[in-house]
Amino acid sequence: GQQLNQSPQSMFIQEGEDVSMNCTSSSIFNTWLWYKQDPGEGPVLLIALYKAGELTSNGRLTAQFGITRKDSFLNISASIPSDVGIYFCAGQLSGAGSYQLTFGKGTKLSVIP
Amino acid sequence: GAGVSQSPSNKVTEKGKDVELRCDPISGHTALYWYRQRLGQGLEFLIYFQGNSAPDKSGLPSDRFSAERTGESVSTLTIQRTQQEDSAVYLCASSPAASSPLYEQYFGPGTRLTVT
Repeated sequence: GQQLNQSPQSMFIQEGEDVSMNCTSSSIFNTWLWYKQDPGEGPVLLIALYKAGELTSNGRLTAQFGITRKDSFLNISASIPSDVGIYFCAGQLSGAGSYQLTFGKGTKLSVIP
Repeated sequence: GAGVSQSPSNKVTEKGKDVELRCDPISGHTALYWYRQRLGQGLEFLIYFQGNSAPDKSGLPSDRFSAERTGESVSTLTIQRTQQEDSAVYLCASSPAASSPLYEQYFGPGTRLTVT
């Protein structure tokens, strides 16, 4: 089955620093999604990407859909303490069963004030 | 309005017992998904319901797992004869319709299942 490799697994950064994380896949995806999960909560969608090469921003977050359609990155600028959490990438294939998402294992972000 | 709710929030059970997990989707959402999240892992798709269509059960890991949904309302995920490897957080999500952009999948807080 499809696998998403998400890196890094965890990050410790100082408040105010920029953060970058990425996902790569062995398969081509039609959609890339980035979610954030806080402890005891379900994932919340941050950014959705639908076209190869697309670069989308949401406040301090920026994500790109790789040209090969096999990778995506998420950047967070000027991190703040509330950015702490686990960030997941997820990809969606086209065709039958396209509602299914394949998730990465997550990047755990810790922000040191 | 109210989001997706799940109950119980935590469940501890003995190996071999059956458990039932409940999901209340957002009112009016026709699509409902169950996922499993093991410690330190991403989400694994389990099952998908869309209206009155036959559910997609392709993600269920074994025949000990089953799920039901009455119309477009509550869904229950049942795990029979629980095993320790079933310990995980079980997440439910709903969306307005199968044709919705996937960003419209709204997740509940999950049920943390611990099998001792």
